[in-house]
Amino acid sequence: SYVLTQRPSVSVAPGQTARITCGGDNIGYKNVHWYQQKPGQAPVVVVYDDIGRPSGIPERFSGSNSGNTATLTISRVEAGDEADYYCQVWDGSGDHQGVFGGGTKLTVL
Amino acid sequence: QLQLQESGPGLVKPSETLSLTCTVSGGSISNNNYYWGWVRQPPGKGLEWIGSIYYSGRTYLNPSLKSRLAMSVDTSRNQFSLSLSSVTAADTAVYYCAREVITTDYFDSWGQGTLVTVSS
Repeated sequence: SYVLTQRPSVSVAPGQTARITCGGDNIGYKNVHWYQQKPGQAPVVVVYDDIGRPSGIPERFSGSNSGNTATLTISRVEAGDEADYYCQVWDGSGDHQGVFGGGTKLTVL
Repeated sequence: QLQLQESGPGLVKPSETLSLTCTVSGGSISNNNYYWGWVRQPPGKGLEWIGSIYYSGRTYLNPSLKSRLAMSVDTSRNQFSLSLSSVTAADTAVYYCAREVITTDYFDSWGQGTLVTVSS
């Protein structure tokens, strides 16, 4: 089965740029979605299909995907961005199979 | 506005069957643009996709759970359901139901989640 690898934690100062990566075999050929989850809440999609941004999500959130790494970039980080972030793909090699990364805890210093 | 609400027992005994229902309001479960899915999250851990179902009843199930898992849809009640048999403590988690956009395959709307504890 397909595996997505994320660093457990990333720390950044307010106003700086956070980059959260998601590794997978040839992930560049897949569409990657990113979810933000704050404590006690359901996840919310912040980027879909590598670079898409749902309505209501600030332009500070952007994504990229190439080779074996997808990246969620959060510019001008704010305290309210502190959350867990999960990448997700669908593994179509066999069937319609959802796969989540292990998640990255973003700490705003 | 679309809303999803999970319902079911919060406590299940080991070896028994966990059953949850998701009630959809503000939209039709028969809309052919969406799948309807379940995602779970053990306490303090990450997200795990459980499975997705189309309004026709076509299911896509996580291979690691497939032997214990069943999903169904009731279009007349605008609900879909999950049944997980032979549960153990490892199945203790918050269970979320969610809507999956077919064209882009991301979950665009989620329920609030319900904690199910497996314990005697």
